[in-house]
Amino acid sequence: DVVMTQSPLSLPATLGQPASISCRSSQSLVSRDGNTYLTWFQQRPGQSPRRLIYQVSKRDSGVPDRFSGSGSGTDFTLKISRVEAEDVGVYYCMQHAHWPRTFGQGTKVEIK
Amino acid sequence: EVQVVESGGGLLEPGGSLRLSCAGSGFTFTKVWMSWVRQAPGKGLEWVARIKSEADGGTTDYTAPVKGRFTISRDDSKNTLYLQMNSLKIEDTAVYYCVIDDAKYWGQGTLVTVSS
Repeated sequence: DVVMTQSPLSLPATLGQPASISCRSSQSLVSRDGNTYLTWFQQRPGQSPRRLIYQVSKRDSGVPDRFSGSGSGTDFTLKISRVEAEDVGVYYCMQHAHWPRTFGQGTKVEIK
Repeated sequence: EVQVVESGGGLLEPGGSLRLSCAGSGFTFTKVWMSWVRQAPGKGLEWVARIKSEADGGTTDYTAPVKGRFTISRDDSKNTLYLQMNSLKIEDTAVYYCVIDDAKYWGQGTLVTVSS
């Protein structure tokens, strides 16, 4: 299985300041169709996961533009340009270039 | 509005069986691949099983820990996805989410607790 490794696992963030989460995969996530299948989710306390970013950098509708995704191959990043209180939660990366789909361990974002 | 609503969770003993259901609405159920994802209490996410649309062959895939014990199926006439879980183990305790396969839409989850 493809192993997804996130860092850090805990991220104390400052309101209004940027924050960044790294996600590395044990294999390339470039599929035969040329697309890279790396997705980011946000899970707020007590809620179901919410997809934020798909195919590395495509933001879902309704997702604030302070969230952005970047990366290629095996190395990916989720950035929050200015952290807001509502961003508290756990963030997961997930690959679906290979079966089974696998998730990172999760990064818990809290406000300092 | 796209919705998926899970049901069927509960408390049971190791070795027991349970069938989860997921009712979809607001989208063309027959066209999409559907999946189950689970989350053990206080833990991360695990993709459990996937079923392709009938047009794509209706084939199924499972993660190794559940292969041979769980069966994913669909009834397109009822817009419903199922997960038949047999020989349940304590480590199967989790919230089970129904997910439309591009993972944009998730249900609220149904809790399965396996305990003696």
